[in-house]
Amino acid sequence: ETGVTQSPTHLIKTRGQQVTLRCSSQSGHNTVSWYQQALGQGPQFIFQYYREEENGRGNFPPRFSGLQFPNYSSELNVNALELDDSALYLCASSLGLAGMQETQYFGPGTRLLVL
Amino acid sequence: DQQVKQNSPSLSVQEGRISILNCDYTNSMFDYFLWYKKYPAEGPTFLISISSIKDKNEDGRFTVFLNKSAKHLSLHIVPSQPGDSAVYFCAASLGFQKLVFGTGTRLLVSP
Repeated sequence: ETGVTQSPTHLIKTRGQQVTLRCSSQSGHNTVSWYQQALGQGPQFIFQYYREEENGRGNFPPRFSGLQFPNYSSELNVNALELDDSALYLCASSLGLAGMQETQYFGPGTRLLVL
Repeated sequence: DQQVKQNSPSLSVQEGRISILNCDYTNSMFDYFLWYKKYPAEGPTFLISISSIKDKNEDGRFTVFLNKSAKHLSLHIVPSQPGDSAVYFCAASLGFQKLVFGTGTRLLVSP
């Protein structure tokens, strides 16, 4: 039990639609990271937020965007969904201590299917 | 460009024996390495980590070894138990930045 929750657990959308995925971090964790895990692959870094500001981004197009809120919740938004966006989306939280090596704790994920 | 590689997609071990999972990386700037375990329909669960300034870290049945000159790390599980059956991911990071994951090794521990 990591204390990180995600909603919904499963979601089906059609190509071109928009989706919002939600994450609730552990209390006190100032950093949230989002990852995409395609079938048979390891998680791929999408972006990271620290105290409501984007703090790094992976190789994902701008239609992937995020928000982080002061209450330790965050969102991942994906516009103009494509078939290849079908994946497990994971959020992970960590304390966010500058310069410190930290462990990221993952939620159970949201499985998105784009038809 | 796969910076973290797990070349064995699967491993089968008998209960009570040692499981050794391997991971190679290419970026010498990585300074923190982690192993996660993942069951189906769950998120990755943190197992054990090691800083680049160390070469070994132990936690119960789990030991991680780091060989910086070879850019190689391994996870030893002794003794292996059926409940250890899962997909194991190694991951590397630069300080508090993003994690770079390998593709995973599926471990099956048979009774």
